[in-house]
Amino acid sequence: DTEVTQTPKHLVMGMTNKKSLKCEQHMGHRAMYWYKQKAKKPPELMFVYSYEKLSINESVPSRFSPECPNSSLLNLHLHALQPEDSALYLCASSQDWGASGGVQETQYFGPGTRLLVL
Amino acid sequence: QKEVEQNSGPLSVPEGAIASLNCTYSDRGSQSFFWYRQYSGKSPELIMFIYSNGDKEDGRFTAQLNKASQYVSLLIRDSQPSDSATYLCAVRPSTGRRALTFGSGTRLQVQP
Repeated sequence: DTEVTQTPKHLVMGMTNKKSLKCEQHMGHRAMYWYKQKAKKPPELMFVYSYEKLSINESVPSRFSPECPNSSLLNLHLHALQPEDSALYLCASSQDWGASGGVQETQYFGPGTRLLVL
Repeated sequence: QKEVEQNSGPLSVPEGAIASLNCTYSDRGSQSFFWYRQYSGKSPELIMFIYSNGDKEDGRFTAQLNKASQYVSLLIRDSQPSDSATYLCAVRPSTGRRALTFGSGTRLQVQP
């Protein structure tokens, strides 16, 4: 089973709203990722969590706040977003991260949350 | 030079033909290479990964890796209209932050 789930599927929010995106995996993976993808562009890495610790923050604005409550869950808290933040937000997981490569670092993506900021 | 380069396409092939998708990368020490398929409006789906020079086959898909030429390709045999999608090449750099680097993707159109 290589399933990563994400909720909600769609989200519309105003610039003053606070919302959260949720990601879950039950594959025993110890690395989880948030990506942002705009139309006709590749996924753009935002954050990497390895063993529940933040390992990479790709200079993401503070209006995006990640959280990893446990090894199966990853949240992305959103606050005071801008219309240009509208995109597909993807969560991914892998067995491991930062090792020598190989099957352990194969990333599996969830279905994504399509976010529209008005 | 981009770290991972792909022709954006669209690459148009007739049904039943072989589709050949190419990807070049700049980090000579890269170790792991991944191909993802992404349908419009959907998330990327892993097709194959390859680590060793040579070919790796999985059903209608064959990944080919040539580290000396810094080149990885994906062949799709007996292409079907359902193969029409964007194919993303992803490379794990050898050093540094070790996050996957994605190419911009090649759009494949299989004509019935």
